[in-house]
Amino acid sequence: KNEVEQSPQNLTAQEGEFITINCSYSVGISALHWLQQHPGGGIVSLFMLSSGKKKHGRLIATINIQEKHSSLHITASHPRDSAVYICAVRGTGNQFYFGTGTSLTVIP
Amino acid sequence: DAGITQSPRHKVTETGTPVTLRCHQTENHRYMYWYRQDPGHGLRLIHYSYGVKDTDKGEVSDGYSVSRSKTEDFLLTLESATSSQTSVYFCAISESDGQPHREQYFGPGTRLTVT
Repeated sequence: KNEVEQSPQNLTAQEGEFITINCSYSVGISALHWLQQHPGGGIVSLFMLSSGKKKHGRLIATINIQEKHSSLHITASHPRDSAVYICAVRGTGNQFYFGTGTSLTVIP
Repeated sequence: DAGITQSPRHKVTETGTPVTLRCHQTENHRYMYWYRQDPGHGLRLIHYSYGVKDTDKGEVSDGYSVSRSKTEDFLLTLESATSSQTSVYFCAISESDGQPHREQYFGPGTRLTVT
């Protein structure tokens, strides 16, 4: 069973397009994280949120606790946004649960 | 960037040999985690530690052991490596669970190949 489901698994977009990646989870959480993993493997945290919405530059993350759903939006996408985006939730214990990731390719 | 290093970064070993991966942090964070990442799977927790000498199993702990004798170091040992343990291994750290909204910070990963 997967506690965290992401969609789509793969996404190809033209430069400049608005992109949405979705995440649904089935466990009680204390926080939800969006991570970015570039080719070469390094993982960095983009957002950590437990309610509402956060914005960093062209990235926006939202969460609906009642619906157990989060979205990551990228406005004016750029080829350097090409990466795998991973949704992760921190359960009410000490463990984190991870989605399998969305592989995004932005074509110039 | 959080101060997390992993060593080695790449390793090729033969089936049946013991392997130890090291995670070192300079952040003095209480929680440390070992994950493996495989195609088609999300990151999966192997073991984690909530303090010196305090560890617990994750969902894929069979064939792995860990030790934490100092706050800054968390070791992952494969006692007898198998080909199914070929993977990329990530270490992560997090601050105290007393503040549940703490982020997790990841090391650069170790690519292990068992032949």
